[in-house]
This record gives sequence, C-alpha cells and structure tokens, in this order.
Amino acid sequence: ELKVEQNPLFLSMQEGKNYTIYCNYSTTSDRLYWYRQDPGKSLESLFVLLSNGAVKQEGRLMASLDTKARLSTLHITAAVHDLSATYFCAVDNQGGKLIFGQGTELSVKP
Amino acid sequence: DADVTQTPRNRITKTGKRIMLECSQTKGHDRMYWYRQDPGLGLRLIYYSFDVKDINKGEISDGYSVSRQAQAKFSLSLESAIPNQTALYFCATSDRPGLEQFFGPGTRLTVL
Repeated sequence: ELKVEQNPLFLSMQEGKNYTIYCNYSTTSDRLYWYRQDPGKSLESLFVLLSNGAVKQEGRLMASLDTKARLSTLHITAAVHDLSATYFCAVDNQGGKLIFGQGTELSVKP
Repeated sequence: DADVTQTPRNRITKTGKRIMLECSQTKGHDRMYWYRQDPGLGLRLIYYSFDVKDINKGEISDGYSVSRQAQAKFSLSLESAIPNQTALYFCATSDRPGLEQFFGPGTRLTVL
C-alpha cells in the first residue's frame, strides 16, 4: 500500500528566508505532483514531475524528484507573504490514482 | 466560466438523508475523480472513472456510490448520510496518466 508523508506539517517562516518541504513515499512511482491550496479554496497544480531527477522551477518555488530515494522536495527561496498556503504532494499509484500527503501549512510572516 | 464545476457548494443535511453531489466539466477529459478532504489527512480518493463505462472504488468508497452520466458529468451519492461524512468534497478531472488533475471548487458538506 502506497503511503505518502510530508514534513513538516506546519511551517512558519520569515520573509526572505529559504526552506524545504519534504515528501516521502513508500512504493515505487515515477510520477509526483505538487499542489497549492489557499484557505477555503480549491487545489491549484504547481508542478508535475515525471522522471527521476526531474527539476521544475516557477518563481520562488523549485521542486525535484528522486525516485530511487522515493523523495521529492519543494524548495522555497526568499519567501514572501503571498506564498502562505497549504502545499500538498501527491504520488501516482497505478495509472492515475493519486495518493496525497497530509499537506504542509506554510505561513510567511514579515 | 470554470472548467470544473460542483453543485451544491455548501450543504447541511441530517443523519440518514440521501444526498447527491454533482460535478460537471467542460475540459473534455475522460477521467474524473471524487475526493474528500479532512483536516490533517490530505485528500483521499473515493471513486474514479476513466471513461463513461468505467467506475472504480478508491481508498474510502464505503458509504458512497457514484454515477457517470456522461463524459462531462460524475455524481457522488451518500445513500444514508452519517456525521463522519462531514467533509470538503472535491471533484477532479484529468486527460490521461502523467498529466495533472484539475480540481473543482469543492462542496462543503455537513451532516448533523
């Protein structure tokens, strides 16, 4: 059974600082997704990682995938308040079924 | 207009009542999904459908049923609602494996 774990679950950052969110999963998969959810809103796709070593960047966010270690990271560079949200990773389990992590609630403070 | 819509957006119902949540999409995707979100648990898959004639159970299908009326429509039913089905429900669509899923706005369901 595929399990997906994120850490930390809660993250309070100061503006301008860097930090990394980790997503570990328990069985083989080479498809991993990162989503953002603002309070009371739906999920917005951030990154699609489809192979070992994949790296994607958008603005202050960069995601990577190491399928051998079963690990993805979401790195935040020079955080700003607008990045405050909950971030989810999700791993593809058998052709399109996603298993989600618990989510990381990020708060960026001045 | 939104590509994935859900109705109703909010619903309060009583234990034992039957309720249907509806999802429609204009993206032309074959694959549709229903998830529930509970605080601290992320999203969990209830049912999914890869085309109109295909229905599959997800992680937590007990107490739920679905109907795929057309490529664009996928409904979730609670035959006899219970309080622990109080949650935020999301519908999602995707085009094919490997591409991201697109989520609807969600339905907040409260069962009293």
